Amino acid sequence: DQQVKQNSPSLSVQEGRISILNCDYTNSMFDYFLWYKKYPAEGPTFLISISSIKDKNEDGRFTVFLNKSAKHLSLHIVPSQPGDSAVYFCAASGGTNAGKSTFGDGTTLTVKP
Amino acid sequence: DTEVTQTPKHLVMGMTNKKSLKCEQHMGHRAMYWYKQKAKKPPELMFVYSYEKLSINESVPSRFSPECPNSSLLNLHLHALQPEDSALYLCASSQVGLEGQYFGPGTRLTVT
Repeated sequence: DQQVKQNSPSLSVQEGRISILNCDYTNSMFDYFLWYKKYPAEGPTFLISISSIKDKNEDGRFTVFLNKSAKHLSLHIVPSQPGDSAVYFCAASGGTNAGKSTFGDGTTLTVKP
Repeated sequence: DTEVTQTPKHLVMGMTNKKSLKCEQHMGHRAMYWYKQKAKKPPELMFVYSYEKLSINESVPSRFSPECPNSSLLNLHLHALQPEDSALYLCASSQVGLEGQYFGPGTRLTVT
């Protein structure tokens, strides 16, 4: 049973436009959510997180939205830049999963110049 | 210093060899992690150390043996591995609790 799902394996966006990456989860005990970016041949890089007591967190061009009732979160990147092209992983933790993160399968974002 | 370092970058070992992977961080983080990542898959948690004590073992086979000698170092000892253990092994660290993890670049392991 996959508890964290990223249903879009890939996304292609024009430079300067908005990129929206989506993530769904099934475990209602999750209370902390994170996004990571991964370039080839590198480890994942932590981007932004959100606690379940919030519905939005913003850091520069990156904003994460959380809809607890829908068990859905999204990462918005505005404006998108070619350097944002990478694999983006959503992760969740909490409840019996406290202290560890469960990752989604990732979405490959390509930003075209 | 916000870096997690891992050595070696690449490792090729036979099924009868014994080798070790090393990880180091100097961010004062007291939680350290080992992950295994196969191609086109997400990182898969193996072990978590919290305050130098093993807190989570995700039912990893005993041919993988973690060690945390001090708060900055994390080792993964490998013995009698199988070809299916070939993967990218990632180390990460974080503050204890709900924090983003800082990952190292990984060790690309090939078991022949």
